[in-house]
Amino acid sequence: AQKVTQAQTEISVVEKEDVTLDCVYETRDTTYYLFWYKQPPSGELVFLIRRNSFDEQNEISGRYSWNFQKSTSSFNFTITASQVVDSAVYFCALSEAYTGANNLFFGTGTRLTVIP
Amino acid sequence: DGGITQSPKYLFRKEGQNVTLSCEQNLNHDAMYWYRQDPGQGLRLIYYSQIVNDFQKGDIAEGYSVSREKKESFPLTVTSAQKNPTAFYLCASSMRLEGNEQFFGPGTRLTVL
Repeated sequence: AQKVTQAQTEISVVEKEDVTLDCVYETRDTTYYLFWYKQPPSGELVFLIRRNSFDEQNEISGRYSWNFQKSTSSFNFTITASQVVDSAVYFCALSEAYTGANNLFFGTGTRLTVIP
Repeated sequence: DGGITQSPKYLFRKEGQNVTLSCEQNLNHDAMYWYRQDPGQGLRLIYYSQIVNDFQKGDIAEGYSVSREKKESFPLTVTSAQKNPTAFYLCASSMRLEGNEQFFGPGTRLTVL
């Protein structure tokens, strides 16, 4: 069965610090997809990134970067020079291709608080 | 503007009453989903639909029902059989192909008194 673990329940950082959110996953499928979503206080989930299991290249988008390592089944998310607007709950999610559906299995989320 | 709308944002019901949550999308997506979120927990899949007139149970379907009569609409009914219905409900849609990201609505917070 699939599983996504976000061991960090809550993290607090001071503005401009860097912060890394951890995500570890389990799957028996060889083809799968990993996602990160942001949930601000308004409640709506905002898509941040998708990676497929065959693409281990790290990705950078502005202050955001993602480190995908199949050897450790991890897909970590780093925010550089954090800002107050980054305060939110961040979810890592997994989708397995063998199901034939596009269903997501979510971790329990990490609440990030950026202190001004 | 393309997107997903859910109404109402807040909903209060008495115990024992059925209640229907609305979800509409104009993204022309085939697939739609309903999730439940409880405090401190991730999202759990209730039902999903990959095409009109077809839907499948997710991980926690008991006490819920859905319909998919139109591509744009995927309403969720929380029945009186749902033992603990107070939660935040999120609707999502995506293209049907595997690996596509899901787009989420603003959610409905249901409180059963």
